[in-house]
Amino acid sequence: GAGVSQSPSNKVTEKGKDVELRCDPISGHTALYWYRQRLGQGLEFLIYFQGNSAPDKSGLPSDRFSAERTGESVSTLTIQRTQQEDSAVYLCASSLGGGGVKGFFGQGTRLTVV
Amino acid sequence: QKEVEQNSGPLSVPEGAIASLNCTYSDRVSQSFFWYRQYSGKSPELIMSIYSNGDKEDGRFTAQLNKASQYVSLLIRDSQPSDSATYLCAVGFTGGGNKLTFGTGTQLKVEL
Repeated sequence: GAGVSQSPSNKVTEKGKDVELRCDPISGHTALYWYRQRLGQGLEFLIYFQGNSAPDKSGLPSDRFSAERTGESVSTLTIQRTQQEDSAVYLCASSLGGGGVKGFFGQGTRLTVV
Repeated sequence: QKEVEQNSGPLSVPEGAIASLNCTYSDRVSQSFFWYRQYSGKSPELIMSIYSNGDKEDGRFTAQLNKASQYVSLLIRDSQPSDSATYLCAVGFTGGGNKLTFGTGTQLKVEL
């Protein structure tokens, strides 16, 4: 596609439910990042994928969070047993290489846990 | 804990003036520095990157890096109302792998 595509754009879920967020990167981009942005805050790193290398999961806030990516394709971020503090915009970005997101962000998924 | 700090603003400048946005960071040994612009309700977009001391110019934007003083700034010349947005500073720390640490952003308002 022309840009990084994320779905859904908005998600409202009940506390305790699991949610799955999807990111479709720009074709050919080997690097993919997930960030979280709480209201009025900067971006918080969650996880980084680079090709077939082991992902950098150092930003995942708890074991309720997990992410997968197969090769250079779609990535999914899963949050289990959602809590109200998980409410945020989840942003995905892809780029041709690593080095910290010189690339392009998707429009994000706004998650609201009620 | 590595930190990146920005004044939240809002910073108000008249149209045509120079807007100066500042960012300080806590770790002397840092590798890469980025400025992103984020319009309300939109995702961030990269506008400048800088890796070595000094100035880097791109159109109306100039990034300035001073590693000894641990600050990076963004100057916007001939500010336009369309420049009104939140500007996020991001730093890639040595040993931090491929993740960036972001500041909370400075809101810029360019007034007619």
